[in-house]
Amino acid sequence: EAGVAQSPRYKIIEKRQSVAFWCNPISGHATLYWYQQILGQGPKLLIQFQNNGVVDDSQLPKDRFSAERLKGVDSTLKIQPAKLEDSAVYLCASSYTTGSSIQYFGAGTRLSVL
Amino acid sequence: AQTVTQSQPEMSVQEAETVTLSCTYDTSESDYYLFWYKQPPSRQMILVIRQEAYKQQNATENRFSVNFQKAAKSFSLKISDSQLGDAAMYFCAYRSINSGNTPLVFGKGTRLSVIA
Repeated sequence: EAGVAQSPRYKIIEKRQSVAFWCNPISGHATLYWYQQILGQGPKLLIQFQNNGVVDDSQLPKDRFSAERLKGVDSTLKIQPAKLEDSAVYLCASSYTTGSSIQYFGAGTRLSVL
Repeated sequence: AQTVTQSQPEMSVQEAETVTLSCTYDTSESDYYLFWYKQPPSRQMILVIRQEAYKQQNATENRFSVNFQKAAKSFSLKISDSQLGDAAMYFCAYRSINSGNTPLVFGKGTRLSVIA
């Protein structure tokens, strides 16, 4: 069974530029999560999808971050414009349903904003 | 809101020895899940072990076991016969059962080094 796929693995941009990350969850998983992991901290949820609908985006900085999961499968997270404090690892995770206790994580994208 | 605290930023253990990583959490709920995730340098979070709060028996997965003390809100991870491949960041995480929409709440992690 293929795991959660994320790309790119690394991205370096300058502040005020835009960037996009892509995630393909495990086949059949209805719930998809985007987490932000700042260096030295645990991951923090940015947004949660159930199929193509948003379940929780309360921690998403909506003035600069956006995310979509149009067909209920893969998802894109965008930052525009990026700030220095957005430097972090962005992790995507999926679970079979919203009620499933186990989330499976991808390898993440490490973003450096200069 | 729930919080998870890992008080040991770094730990080290000799190969083949046993090490215990600490985790405490704060919640007013009676039913929930607790997890330990391992994050190696590859960055992928790997589930190590899961505990359901309504089960009194401590979870065990091969060399990994937990000491779950519900009243004390403590959830420590014991790694027996430590191997070089166990070196990684370990995160303790909490998830509510009552609402299916709640995300994982993570601690800040403990970096484990294994000395050959």
